[in-house]
Amino acid sequence: SQTIHQWPATLVQPVGSPLSLECTVEGTSNPNLYWYRQAAGRGLQLLFYSVGIGQISSEVPQNLSASRPQDRQFILSSKKLLLSDSGFYLCVQGNTEAFFGQGTRLTVV
Amino acid sequence: AQTVTQSQPEMSVQEAETVTLSCTYDTSESDYYLFWYKQPPSRQMILVIRQEAYKQQNATENRFSVNFQKAAKSFSLKISDSQLGDAAMYFCAYREATSGTYKYIFGTGTRLKVLA
Repeated sequence: SQTIHQWPATLVQPVGSPLSLECTVEGTSNPNLYWYRQAAGRGLQLLFYSVGIGQISSEVPQNLSASRPQDRQFILSSKKLLLSDSGFYLCVQGNTEAFFGQGTRLTVV
Repeated sequence: AQTVTQSQPEMSVQEAETVTLSCTYDTSESDYYLFWYKQPPSRQMILVIRQEAYKQQNATENRFSVNFQKAAKSFSLKISDSQLGDAAMYFCAYREATSGTYKYIFGTGTRLKVLA
């Protein structure tokens, strides 16, 4: 069965600090991978998606970037966090249906 | 661009009763998938039910069923015999079937409260 590992679960970071959220997938190969951000009342906003190693598509201009260094690894990064980057971030794998990681609650202070 | 709309921010249902959550979507594609996901307080998203657009038969999973109206672009979720454990946020989602990117578009969610 497919498993998505996402960490950390919670993170409190000061404004201007860097960010790295990591996601790894087990139980499948060549997965389509996505980073979503969930904000109250706004549903899930697609940030980035990747259909293969090194292939990243950005959906929303922002302070964040994504990378896929390995087939089953997906990383969300920022060089300098903003207050507006606070939110709940979800890593998703979805070739046939969406499988979700447990999420990271990021608070930028 | 595809959009998914959930017009009910919050719904309530008595335990053992039936409730229907609404979802409409907009797309020019003929082949796609629709989903309902449940997000309990733990925030771990769980697939409730899935519908392929080319199938006319409505999907069912135990107490959960959908009313899929392709021409009207409507995809409602019916929960029968509601249980306290059904209390959660429910998200309707659309996914392209043929573009290769398979992006998932989610609605804003409906919070379901189950009253004892």
